[in-house]
Amino acid sequence: QLQLQESGPGVVKVSETLSLTCTVSRGSVRDSNYYWGWLRQPPGKGLEWIGSMYYAGDTASNPSLASRVKISVDTAKNQFSLRLSSVTAADTAVYYCARHGTRFYYFGIQVWGQGTPVIVSS
Amino acid sequence: EIVMTQSPATLSVSPGESATLSCRASHSVGNNLAWYQQKPGQAPRLLIYGASTRATGIPARFSGSGSGTEFTLTISSLQSEDFAVYHCQQYNKWASWTFGQGTKVEIK
Repeated sequence: QLQLQESGPGVVKVSETLSLTCTVSRGSVRDSNYYWGWLRQPPGKGLEWIGSMYYAGDTASNPSLASRVKISVDTAKNQFSLRLSSVTAADTAVYYCARHGTRFYYFGIQVWGQGTPVIVSS
Repeated sequence: EIVMTQSPATLSVSPGESATLSCRASHSVGNNLAWYQQKPGQAPRLLIYGASTRATGIPARFSGSGSGTEFTLTISSLQSEDFAVYHCQQYNKWASWTFGQGTKVEIK
């Protein structure tokens, strides 16, 4: 069964860039049936979709974050990554990597990583 | 952006009873609505998609209904493992997905 595992610093300073990586196990980022995405959940708040990417290059981002988000896929390492620039305290959250269907086969988010907390500190 | 509003914020239910959770969309999303269950310290788990289709392995006591702007998740005969936070998500338009704030189902 597919497994996703987030990794990266647990603390990032204000104005710097948050970088996280998701390692895919028991599956391949080159699977043509899926996109690979990132979501987050600030403390005590709801979930927010950040962005997603297809291994062949198509990307999509939440318009509210698009100017600061970069998602990339490394097929050689079977990983995908998130970079969120110019972070503020509002970016403090648990960050999840996830897998979901393609444009015409999207039925919610079936597979999630366990989540990794990130604190933005001054 | 479509705003998803869940109610109530907290629902107190006794084990064995039923729970009815609501999710309202600010604009019609058709039946492009998913429900997730999230337990403390865990990632969300997909329960329902297409407003009423149970995901793989989800018990029959979970049922979803609704379309357009009004949706309901019903949990019949609550088990101890069902006490959790439930989120709704609309996916009516590609890459414009939004979630509700969640409903916490707690033991009464």
